[in-house]
Amino acid sequence: NAGVTQTPKFQVLKTGQSMTLQCAQDMNHNSMYWYRQDPGMGLRLIYYSASEGTTDKGEVPNGYNVSRLNKREFSLRLESAAPSQTSVYFCASKGSTEAFFGQGTRLTVV
Amino acid sequence: QKEVEQNSGPLSVPEGAIASLNCTYSDRGSQSFFWYRQYSGKSPELIMSIYSNGDKEDGRFTAQLNKASQYVSLLIRDSQPSDSATYLCAVSLDGGFKTIFGAGTRLFVKA
Repeated sequence: NAGVTQTPKFQVLKTGQSMTLQCAQDMNHNSMYWYRQDPGMGLRLIYYSASEGTTDKGEVPNGYNVSRLNKREFSLRLESAAPSQTSVYFCASKGSTEAFFGQGTRLTVV
Repeated sequence: QKEVEQNSGPLSVPEGAIASLNCTYSDRGSQSFFWYRQYSGKSPELIMSIYSNGDKEDGRFTAQLNKASQYVSLLIRDSQPSDSATYLCAVSLDGGFKTIFGAGTRLFVKA
């Protein structure tokens, strides 16, 4: 049972490049989330999907897009990466109670 | 104003002491409240969840919720060096689907 799997674990991008972070969960959860974590800022919600077919903006959605591909998968896309998007990105899924997190993606934009 | 506020710390306590972590939230519609622990370089993991006013105990951990004061706390009794981590307070809104985190409090337990 893998839980929540994120890929890639590390990525370096040049300013202006695009990329997609992938997330998949095998716990049959309805809700999925993307957070970013910066030093001293805790986890900030980028987008979330309460159920398959729906997505909503979180606290810091600018510069990102998401796709809830199916119940298992929720991807995060950076269309034109900026140095301000250097961060650790966490995907999470949630059933009726707690959220379970992936291992994180450390993204550096140079 | 951030929706979930925590003292960033660091909070330093001696081994065996009680560590007290506090959190306030701004949305009175908040329904569920969580404490997560995050070790450096790792993912957050759930310690406690609480949904109604009062205390909830689980081993050395006690969560306290006061909805009137919009206040959540976590007490760690008999603190151990292995408890040294960042503790994140989280609140669920919008029917429980939207979960917002505080900035976290760093706890150091000195042996």
